[in-house]
Amino acid sequence: EAQVTQNPRYLITVTGKKLTVTCSQNMNHEYMSWYRQDPGLGLRQIYYSMNVEVTDKGDVPEGYKVSRKEKRNFPLILESPSPNQTSLYFCASSLGGTVGEKLFFGSGTQLSVL
Amino acid sequence: GENVEQHPSTLSVQEGDSAVIKCTYSDSASNYFPWYKQELGKRPQLIIDIRSNVGEKKDQRIAVTLNKTAKHFSLHITETQPEDSAVYFCAASTGRRALTFGSGTRLQVQP
Repeated sequence: EAQVTQNPRYLITVTGKKLTVTCSQNMNHEYMSWYRQDPGLGLRQIYYSMNVEVTDKGDVPEGYKVSRKEKRNFPLILESPSPNQTSLYFCASSLGGTVGEKLFFGSGTQLSVL
Repeated sequence: GENVEQHPSTLSVQEGDSAVIKCTYSDSASNYFPWYKQELGKRPQLIIDIRSNVGEKKDQRIAVTLNKTAKHFSLHITETQPEDSAVYFCAASTGRRALTFGSGTRLQVQP
């Protein structure tokens, strides 16, 4: 089954404790991206990757890191989480071509930073 | 960068009525405009998309129209059903950088 898998589904942590949210896709997609969803603000792009070893900032990259060492994986790293990073996070992938075309989203990760 | 504004933020219609959601974008270079539906507690899912070389696209009860001159595009849902209740997001992309989403419209279809 074609899917984008995110883990964990829920995460509660404390300020400053490094964490990683994993994202994996099995569709051989070239394009992957991370979004955060906050009430009234829609989906805002954090980082995206056009291919292996190619990453670029989205609209809200501060406080986040990503890496794309393999085509299928695109982890999101918060090295020193802060309460304003409490949000619902989605990973997404697509075949490529136009940036963000026909995105497949993961199930989401609800992150709470205390 | 691109800015996408979406209206209304909430919309309530009676079952069987039509619903229209409107978006405007700022970057005239944007050429790809998708719409996503997000049911409560679920992931966003693509329902329809349109490119700038097309003025209108239909898929059963949903349609999207694009006015490049005015830089706005709209989602039209006809004969609404309770299962259409969800949050709908529009988005715009130049094809070279980030996909920018609108803030969302919560559609409620009253039986």
